[in-house]
Amino acid sequence: DAGVTQSPTHLIKTRGQHVTLRCSPISGHKSVSWYQQVLGQGPQFIFQYYEKEERGRGNFPDRFSARQFPNYSSELNVNALLLGDSALYLCASSPGQPNQPQHFGDGTRLSIL
Amino acid sequence: KNEVEQSPQNLTAQEGEFITINCSYSVGISALHWLQQHPGGGIVSLFMLSSGKKKHGRLIATINIQEKHSSLHITASHPRDSAVYICAVPTPTGNQFYFGTGTSLTVIP
Repeated sequence: DAGVTQSPTHLIKTRGQHVTLRCSPISGHKSVSWYQQVLGQGPQFIFQYYEKEERGRGNFPDRFSARQFPNYSSELNVNALLLGDSALYLCASSPGQPNQPQHFGDGTRLSIL
Repeated sequence: KNEVEQSPQNLTAQEGEFITINCSYSVGISALHWLQQHPGGGIVSLFMLSSGKKKHGRLIATINIQEKHSSLHITASHPRDSAVYICAVPTPTGNQFYFGTGTSLTVIP
């Protein structure tokens, strides 16, 4: 079975640009969560989507948005990129009920120049 | 204030040594997760435990709910165990996680 897949694996952007990151969950998983991990720190929660609805939002500015599609894949969009947005962006999927293990993708490493 | 604290932040060990990584948390939880992150970013879930002890191969995880403390042990450590180990607990809603900052383990041959 395929695990959580994320694309692209690496991305370089400049300040002010926007970016779209994509995530495909494990088959049968209805929940997708996005995390930002800055170098040397633990992941920080950005969004959770379940059944195409936003279920949770972390402390991130409105430049960050996401959506989930009918096939449960998800996109994370970041507008007006800042240098501080450079990080590893992780996607995790789970069946959807609280406190179930989350399965992580390998992440997208975003570098802002 | 961090809801999850890990120690040590960095750990270097000789191959074969017994490793212990500690995690303390301040929120009430139903389960605690130990994750492993290799260079390059991919995260693998090692354990989810709510009481007592779990063992997978050379890895052992314990939790004391009353003391809000968990430990991850690695017996007979090997260079391939070199990774960042992260402790995570669910938020009260259960829909997201608080993560520790991770323990970077390097096992030297």
